[in-house]
Amino acid sequence: NAGVTQTPKFRILKIGQSMTLQCTQDMNHNYMYWYRQDPGMGLKLIYYSVGAGITDKGEVPNGYNVSRSTTEDFPLRLELAAPSQTSVYFCASRPGFPSTDTQYFGPGTRLTVL
Amino acid sequence: KNQVEQSPQSLIILEGKNCTLQCNYTVSPFSNLRWYKQDTGRGPVSLTIMTFSENTKSNGRYTATLDADTKQSSLHITASQLSDSASYICVVTPNTGNQFYFGTGTSLTVIP
Repeated sequence: NAGVTQTPKFRILKIGQSMTLQCTQDMNHNYMYWYRQDPGMGLKLIYYSVGAGITDKGEVPNGYNVSRSTTEDFPLRLELAAPSQTSVYFCASRPGFPSTDTQYFGPGTRLTVL
Repeated sequence: KNQVEQSPQSLIILEGKNCTLQCNYTVSPFSNLRWYKQDTGRGPVSLTIMTFSENTKSNGRYTATLDADTKQSSLHITASQLSDSASYICVVTPNTGNQFYFGTGTSLTVIP
């Protein structure tokens, strides 16, 4: 049981490039989330999904896209990378029931846009 | 506006000493409050969770308290160890929606 895995661990992008951050969970959780964490700031929700085929915007969705074709995978797509997207990205999942269930976080992807 | 504020921003203590971290929130209606520990370079890991009706929860040397009336929570660490050096994040969940509200965290450094 690997939990939540993210790839890559580190990435440097040039302005305008695109990439996909991968997230996979093997706990059969319904809910999955993408957050970004900037230095000295709390985690900000980018997108979330309550099940395969269902996604919704969080607090800071601009510049990102997601898809959820399977329960296990929730990739985050960056189109036309900008320096403002330099951050650490965390994927998380939770069962979705009961309301007191816990989010399990991946190890993060550190992205730098130059 | 739903907000979660933590204090202090950072803290340095000697190994073996106790410390208390604070969390104030304005999230309403309230469902539950979690404390997470985030080691450097890692994702957050849950320490405790408290619902509206609970006012204290322990996990080893970590004890969290909740006052839902004043919307305050604290995390007390007893007999600190070097491995307690981390960021501690308070997260509040409202009764509605799928949003979690994260504090900015308290960075704790335990020195020998």
